[in-house]
Amino acid sequence: AQTIHQWPVAEIKAVGSPLSLGCTIKGKSSPNLYWYWQATGGTLQQLFYSITVGQVESVVQLNLSASRPKDDQFILSTEKLLLSHSGFYLCAWSLGVQDTQYFGPGTRLLVL
Amino acid sequence: GQQVQQSPASLVLQEGENAELQCNFSTSLNSMQWFYQRPEGSLVSLFYNPSGTKQSGRLTSTTVIKERRSSLHISSSQITDSGTYLCAMEYGGSGNKLIFGTGTLLSVKP
Repeated sequence: AQTIHQWPVAEIKAVGSPLSLGCTIKGKSSPNLYWYWQATGGTLQQLFYSITVGQVESVVQLNLSASRPKDDQFILSTEKLLLSHSGFYLCAWSLGVQDTQYFGPGTRLLVL
Repeated sequence: GQQVQQSPASLVLQEGENAELQCNFSTSLNSMQWFYQRPEGSLVSLFYNPSGTKQSGRLTSTTVIKERRSSLHISSSQITDSGTYLCAMEYGGSGNKLIFGTGTLLSVKP
């Protein structure tokens, strides 16, 4: 069975500090991977997707970047956090294009 | 740009009543997905429905591409159905892009 793990579960960070959020998929090789963000009370927005190692496509920038260093790992990061980065970050995977997406438990971020 | 409008924004039902949730999209799409968002935020996939009707237990999803709409029908609602229901439109040539609706907050009362 496939499992998707996100870390950390929650984080409180200062404005201007760096950030790294991680996502790992186990039990599935070469999945498509995705990052989403949801402001408190807001609509879920897709940020990035990746169909293979080393290749990441940006959908919405938000002054964040993403990388896929391994087949089963997707990293979301920034060197300088903004207040507007607060919210809920979700990672997801799918078998391929035009396929059901399965979501991780999420990371809640508060920037002060 | 592409838009997804979801209605109603909120809905209160008595246990046992049926619910009809709607999703309308502004442009052509590849498929529609329906999710249930748990109170803590994680998403549960309910349906991946490019067209036609799909059923799973008390849930039925119908997508009509030509009319640019999709619906989620919940029959015989239960208290445990309470939560937020999200639709998402899959678009783009690569099929990897999703746009989410604003959600329907469903409350089922005993």
